[in-house]
Amino acid sequence: GEDVEQSLFLSVREGDSSVINCTYTDSSSTYLYWYKQEPGAGLQLLTYIFSNMDMKQDQRLTVLLNKKDKHLSLRIADTQTGDSAIYFCAETVSGGYNKLIFGAGTRLAVHP
Amino acid sequence: DGGITQSPKYLFRKEGQNVTLSCEQNLNHDAMYWYRQDPGQGLRLIYYSQIVNDFQKGDIAEGYSVSREKKESFPLTVTSAQKNPTAFYLCASSPQTGTLTDTQYFGPGTRLTVL
Repeated sequence: GEDVEQSLFLSVREGDSSVINCTYTDSSSTYLYWYKQEPGAGLQLLTYIFSNMDMKQDQRLTVLLNKKDKHLSLRIADTQTGDSAIYFCAETVSGGYNKLIFGAGTRLAVHP
Repeated sequence: DGGITQSPKYLFRKEGQNVTLSCEQNLNHDAMYWYRQDPGQGLRLIYYSQIVNDFQKGDIAEGYSVSREKKESFPLTVTSAQKNPTAFYLCASSPQTGTLTDTQYFGPGTRLTVL
């Protein structure tokens, strides 16, 4: 069935790199997304990757996609306290419309 | 500024009451969505609409109703039939034409608490 899994918690030191991992199940996904949610706020689209790409870099963010293993990762370089948030991975599932399936979210805590 | 607005930010309801959550977008997006978020869980789809005057049930539609009379508006009513309505509700929209038609953009959310 449709499922997206993420680890629930990650703690890093300020200035280090953070790597948030995600596995998904639908091999027909066209786009995979990373969203960021700060406390009490909506979801902010961070970045996305098209399924025929292996990597995408956008400033401090690097997305890696291993389609064979259905594994997606988000690397945040030089992590700052403002990066503390919940990060959601989401995949598109084909059907009558392009449905988004979300993981449960990874809470990133950045400490000095 | 283009974007999605939701109101109110916080809403309190007594048991047995219906309440309506507002969602408005000025992005000229065709599709709109309602999600429910519970602590420690991902988002679950309640209803979606791909075009005006049409909408479809999502995964957890029971106890909810929607309307889509205008392209920019997609209000959600939480009825008394919803057994556990306390949650954070998120509205989203996406374009239906052009590239990245799957990409959904979210509003700031409404936190509903049943007293």
